Formats: sequence, C-alpha cells, structure tokens
Amino acid sequence: NAGVTQTPKFRILKIGQSMTLQCAQDMNHNYMYWYRQDPGMGLKLIYYSVGAGITDKGEVPNGYNVSRSTTEDFPLRLELAAPSQTSVYFCASSYPETRRAFFGQGTRLTVV
Amino acid sequence: DAKTTQPPSMDCAEGRAANLPCNHSTISGNEYVYWYRQIHSQGPQYIIHGLKNNETNEMASLIITEDRKSSTLILPHATLRDTAVYYCIVVSSGAGSYQLTFGKGTKLSVIP
Repeated sequence: NAGVTQTPKFRILKIGQSMTLQCAQDMNHNYMYWYRQDPGMGLKLIYYSVGAGITDKGEVPNGYNVSRSTTEDFPLRLELAAPSQTSVYFCASSYPETRRAFFGQGTRLTVV
Repeated sequence: DAKTTQPPSMDCAEGRAANLPCNHSTISGNEYVYWYRQIHSQGPQYIIHGLKNNETNEMASLIITEDRKSSTLILPHATLRDTAVYYCIVVSSGAGSYQLTFGKGTKLSVIP
C-alpha cells in the first residue's frame, strides 16, 4: 500500500500566488488532517475532516481552505500566499476509533 | 487534552536502552498516551500507545506509572537510526477530539 501520498514534495511560490497541496490515502480512513510545521517547532493542525463532505478548522486555519469530496482525497488550498506560510505541510489519516495516524512525507513550501 | 512535559534533548549510546520520560500530571481517565517520532523532518511515525497498562511492540515498550501521571518510552537497543525527535501526546479517543497536539518533543541523539 502507498499509505498517505502528498504532492508536490517541494514548491516555491511568489507572494500572492495560489496553489493546491494534494493529499491522497489508500487505507479507507475516515479521518484526515493537515498540519504545518515551522522550523524547530511542533506540528500545528490547520484543518481536519471526519469524512467525505465534512471539514472543520483546526488551530491555524487562516489563509487556507480545504475540501473533501471523496474518502481518499483531502486537498489543501492556499490563496494569496504570504511569507508566513513558508513551512512544511503534512497530511495524515486515521481510523475514527484510534489516534494512530499515518503521515505523508510532507510538502516543503517556500513563499518569496 | 492534557498537556505533556518532555526534556528537550537526550543522548544515548548505541546498543544501550534509551529511556524517554514524559510527564502528564493532568491526564484524565479516558485519555491515552501516544508516542510518535520524527526522523530528520520526515512525517511523524507512530510508535506505541497505552491507557494504563504497560505495552510492548516490535519497536518499543511503554511504561505508565500506576497514577498515570507520567510514562517512559523505552527503546531497548538504540541504533543510530533511532536518532529522532520523540513526541509524547495525550489524547482522548472519544468523539469530538481529533487533534494530535505535538509539542517540541525530545530530541534523542544516539551516539556511536
């Protein structure tokens, strides 16, 4: 199984540009998450979803949007990129009854 | 979810047991202790979790004190590949609790 797949792995954006970070999982997990990790810091939850069609804000949602049209996919949209969004973004998924989450390998985003 | 306290860094000689402590003095009865690690900015990797009994799997052992206010993750024979940041997380498994709150963790350095 591929697990959780994130694309792209690296991206450089100019201020004001937009992009979508892709996340797909093949484990049929209901729960999916987006985290960001700034250098030397822990992970912070941006958005999460408990199933297709259901999303909710985490700790740091400003500047981001998500959608969940299928169980497998959970894309994260950045509108009007800002330097403060320079970070490593991790997508994760899990079954509802456990907090054993499976993480992707991350997308390293730089906004210049 | 209860807060956790971990030492910022630890060293361990290769081949020796690594004992990583975690304090969670405000843990409540329905909260689990989860351990994850993050190797060199990869996505976090689940290690083990427990409620009140000691647990062991192929990666590690988890010792939880009787009052559940602290726990210790034990890597029985540390190797250089165990060098990573280790996160202790306390979380409820009930509905409505979705966020894994990652602090700064403990940076474990395994020394040859």
